[in-house]
Amino acid sequence: DGGITQSPKYLFRKEGQNVTLSCEQNLNHDAMYWYRQDPGQGLRLIYYSQIVNDFQKGDIAEGYSVSREKKESFPLTVTSAQKNPTAFYLCASNRGLRTGELFFGEGSRLTVL
Amino acid sequence: AQTVTQSQPEMSVQEAETVTLSCTYDTSESDYYLFWYKQPPSRQMILVIRQEAYKQQNATENRFSVNFQKAAKSFSLKISDSQLGDAAMYFCAYRSARADYGGATNKLIFGTGTLLAVQP
Repeated sequence: DGGITQSPKYLFRKEGQNVTLSCEQNLNHDAMYWYRQDPGQGLRLIYYSQIVNDFQKGDIAEGYSVSREKKESFPLTVTSAQKNPTAFYLCASNRGLRTGELFFGEGSRLTVL
Repeated sequence: AQTVTQSQPEMSVQEAETVTLSCTYDTSESDYYLFWYKQPPSRQMILVIRQEAYKQQNATENRFSVNFQKAAKSFSLKISDSQLGDAAMYFCAYRSARADYGGATNKLIFGTGTLLAVQP
């Protein structure tokens, strides 16, 4: 079945460590997105990529980095520069044009100890 | 910049009853898409319904329907015959149609969500 796979589902990190969240899709979608979800704030866009080897900052990109070397993969690195990294992270994708809706992974919960 | 507002942080409905969740948005564009997403306790985001702004007819998906008022920039979700499985966080979202011809980023802007409880 086609879909989006995020891993790990739960991750604990010590302060000062970088962590990478994986996002893989087999939907043949061009565009991929990373959102952060915090209680009472909805979903906020971190980074997005509309094509391989290209990506743009979203609304809250500081302290995060991404890469898009393959169409199927869009990993997110939460760096030590991110001041409040504890959150729920959602990866999403869509075909890019005239489709509108996003397809989401199951999310990754990051907790900084 | 476009914004999406959900003014009801929490709502409650009795099983088999009807509930309406509110959403307003702000945009200067005339062509766009609106969505309602459901996020159950599993945290998986699921598309409930979508509406194209150029369509005057309100979208309907089984027990879910919307009341799209373009002039008022309002997009409410009505859930009829509520079921226990409808209990979830519901998010309203906006997407510019300019993205369809490269005029804007193909990203969704979300509201802060409404937590719906269904009482048996």
